[in-house]
Amino acid sequence: AQSVTQLGSHVSVSEGALVLLRCNYSSSVPPYLFWYVQYPNQGLQLLLKYTSAATLVKGINGFEAEFKKSETSFHLTKPSAHMSDAAEYFCAVSEVNTGFQKLVFGTGTRLLVSP
Amino acid sequence: NAGVTQTPKFQVLKTGQSMTLQCAQDMNHNSMYWYRQDPGMGLRLIYYSASEGTTDKGEVPNGYNVSRLNKREFSLRLESAAPSQTSVYFCASSERPGQGGNTIYFGEGSWLTVV
Repeated sequence: AQSVTQLGSHVSVSEGALVLLRCNYSSSVPPYLFWYVQYPNQGLQLLLKYTSAATLVKGINGFEAEFKKSETSFHLTKPSAHMSDAAEYFCAVSEVNTGFQKLVFGTGTRLLVSP
Repeated sequence: NAGVTQTPKFQVLKTGQSMTLQCAQDMNHNSMYWYRQDPGMGLRLIYYSASEGTTDKGEVPNGYNVSRLNKREFSLRLESAAPSQTSVYFCASSERPGQGGNTIYFGEGSWLTVV
């Protein structure tokens, strides 16, 4: 079964600093990978997804992620953090079993942005 | 453009009470899901429905039942609520169940407290 591991339950950065949120996956087949963001008291919103078209994936709000098969990683980055980026971020891998897709989520990383 | 709508948003139940969480999507999606979110555990799949007329257990189905009422609606029922079911519940939907790269769209969440 596929799984994802997110290193660091909390990441703190200063406004304007680089954001790096780590995600490693385990999959026996070429994976589909997703990053979702959850703002306080809201649902999950898709940031970006990897579907094998390109290893560097650009998403909304200036975020991007790079798929590295050799490292089984799909880390999320943003060059310059804004206060509005403070949220919880979830990495997920798509599991297709008996012809049906399910998302398997990591435990999440809360991003704190200080002025 | 509502997307995935869940009701109620907040609910407090006493142990042993029953309740139903309602979910509807207006995107003509085939597949629908119920997840629960607990601190430090990410999102875990409770039940899913690949298409109208079918439902299957996910990772944590005990204590829950579901009904796929029609293509739009997928409800989650707690027959006898327990404090361990205190959680945030998310309904979600996706268009094509068999393709791993589908985007899964989430509702705003339902905060349930069992006392």
